[in-house]
Amino acid sequence: GIQVEQSPPDLILQEGANSTLRCNFSDSVNNLQWFHQNPWGQLINLFYIPSGTKQNGRLSATTVATERYSLLYISSSQTTDSGVYFCAISRGSNYKLTFGKGTLLTVNP
Amino acid sequence: GAVVSQHPSWVICKSGTSVKIECRSLDFQATTMFWYRQFPKQSLMLMATSNEGSKATYEQGVEKDKFLINHASLTLSTLTVTSAHPEDSSFYICSAGRTSGGATDTQYFGPGTRLTVL
Repeated sequence: GIQVEQSPPDLILQEGANSTLRCNFSDSVNNLQWFHQNPWGQLINLFYIPSGTKQNGRLSATTVATERYSLLYISSSQTTDSGVYFCAISRGSNYKLTFGKGTLLTVNP
Repeated sequence: GAVVSQHPSWVICKSGTSVKIECRSLDFQATTMFWYRQFPKQSLMLMATSNEGSKATYEQGVEKDKFLINHASLTLSTLTVTSAHPEDSSFYICSAGRTSGGATDTQYFGPGTRLTVL
């Protein structure tokens, strides 16, 4: 099956710093989503981005489908950004998402 | 928009009992819902795909007789863990697929249900 690799696995930042999270995938996809899982377990949709670039406030994402990777940018990080960031992809007509292992982000005050 | 609820948010039960978890899409209709399982500090693993009005499709290794799924309406899917054992303790998360242009292109997730089997 399709492989999804996220890096780095862990990231510690000081409040105000910027960061880039990466998601590599092994085959063409028709759906790529970025999620933030907060400490209570809720997954929050950040971006639906099978290709191109999107921005939402301090967050932005870029997917280069031809090179099979996606990047999530977090600028001016805040302590509330802490949690696990997941990249998930699907391909074909079944719409089943395959999740990466996530990046655990800790933002210290 | 695109809110998904789950009930209960946590449950503790004795070994051998059955537990039902509900997943509802509150402000949209979901032809397809998905059930995931997440162990501590691990990623989400898809258990099954639930389609309204038809039988669920289970992933390899998931026992369909143990994890009963019913998708009775376009806004409700249920997961019943039958004869629960301590190894079934986990965080169960559902998602509902939102369709546009004929494709289920975005999944929205419920808040999860933490199951502890004693």
